[in-house]
Amino acid sequence: NAGVTQTPKFQVLKTGQSMTLQCAQDMNHNSMYWYRQDPGMGLRLIYYSASEGTTDKGEVPNGYNVSRLNKREFSLRLESAAPSQTSVYFCASRATGGHGYFGPGTRLTVL
Amino acid sequence: AQTVTQSQPEMSVQEAETVTLSCTYDTSESDYYLFWYKQPPSRQMILVIRQEAYKQQNATENRFSVNFQKAAKSFSLKISDSQLGDAAMYFCAYRGNYGGSQGNLIFGKGTKLSVKP
Repeated sequence: NAGVTQTPKFQVLKTGQSMTLQCAQDMNHNSMYWYRQDPGMGLRLIYYSASEGTTDKGEVPNGYNVSRLNKREFSLRLESAAPSQTSVYFCASRATGGHGYFGPGTRLTVL
Repeated sequence: AQTVTQSQPEMSVQEAETVTLSCTYDTSESDYYLFWYKQPPSRQMILVIRQEAYKQQNATENRFSVNFQKAAKSFSLKISDSQLGDAAMYFCAYRGNYGGSQGNLIFGKGTKLSVKP
């Protein structure tokens, strides 16, 4: 049981480049989430998916898009990266009534 | 909207001593969950303890316990017999039990705990 996996672990982009952060879980959870963590800010919700085929915006969705490819996978895309998107990104999943299981995070730097 | 406040950006404790981290929250919901997560330097988010709001009994997990005061909307974490491995960032988090939030976690800004040998 790998839990929640994320790729890549580290990434450096130039302003304007695009990339996709991948997330997968093997716990058969319905709900999946993308958070970003900035110093002194805690974790803030970018997008979530309550079930396969549905996605919705969280607190800070601007500049991001997501895809819930199937029950296991939930990807986060930056179409045109900006320095303000420099952050650590966490994917999480949750079973009904359960707590959130987190991936190891992706440290993204946008120059 | 729900909010979570951790008023102590940093705390320090001597090894083997006890420390309490504070957390307050604001909500109009009656049914919800509260959590404490630990984030060591490895960056991994690790669940420490959870509390269901409908339960009056405070949750306990080994050396970790909470003081849940529902009326005061307070949820503090007590770490007993502190160990060097307890040094980490600790986040308090809230989750509603229904509705449009779809069960996402709302986090406080964290408390950095240092443990002195």
